Amino acid sequence: AQSVTQPDIHITVSEGASLELRCNYSYGATPYLFWYVQSPGQGLQLLLKYFSGDTLVQGIKGFEAEFKRSQSSFNLRKPSVHWSDAAEYFCAVGRSYNTDKLIFGTGTRLQVFP
Amino acid sequence: SQTIHQWPATLVQPVGSPLSLECTVEGTSNPNLYWYRQAAGRGLQLLFYSVGIGQISSEVPQNLSASRPQDRQFILSSKKLLLSDSGFYLCAWRWGRDTQYFGPGTRLTVL
Repeated sequence: AQSVTQPDIHITVSEGASLELRCNYSYGATPYLFWYVQSPGQGLQLLLKYFSGDTLVQGIKGFEAEFKRSQSSFNLRKPSVHWSDAAEYFCAVGRSYNTDKLIFGTGTRLQVFP
Repeated sequence: SQTIHQWPATLVQPVGSPLSLECTVEGTSNPNLYWYRQAAGRGLQLLFYSVGIGQISSEVPQNLSASRPQDRQFILSSKKLLLSDSGFYLCAWRWGRDTQYFGPGTRLTVL
């Protein structure tokens, strides 16, 4: 079955620390992969996406993610977290060339301490 | 540039009452449109999607229905709300092969 797992429900980091949010997927075909961020009470904003090519992708707000096919992972990273990064982060996977049916993980809530 | 609107932003409705949530997209034509529900502590669940006017695909059998009366308008409805319909409803659009872009959402509370 197709699925996305975000094993960390809640992560707390200090401002300025590095961050890695984990995402593992199970998908039978070549996937398209996405990371979205959601602030409380808001919609989802696209951070970055991976379709093909270079497995390290850069996104907005200083985020990057690395696709590792052998590990079925697409982890999100940021070298130095800012207080404004506190939000919920969702990983999603879709079928290549037709992302009508995105499968989302259950999200990771990031808390940032000053 | 493209913009997606949802209204209302928040809604409190009694059990058994009808529901109508509206989503409109500006700045694009013939988008694919999507309705998702987000329950507390869960990810997003795709409810319906539409590839064109009058074309609706239902992903989860439930108390809700969707319609697309115009190219850039997508409506989520219910004849009688249940307590379990409470949640955060998100509309999204896609044009082309890849990314879905989300609206601001509607918080629905059924009492």
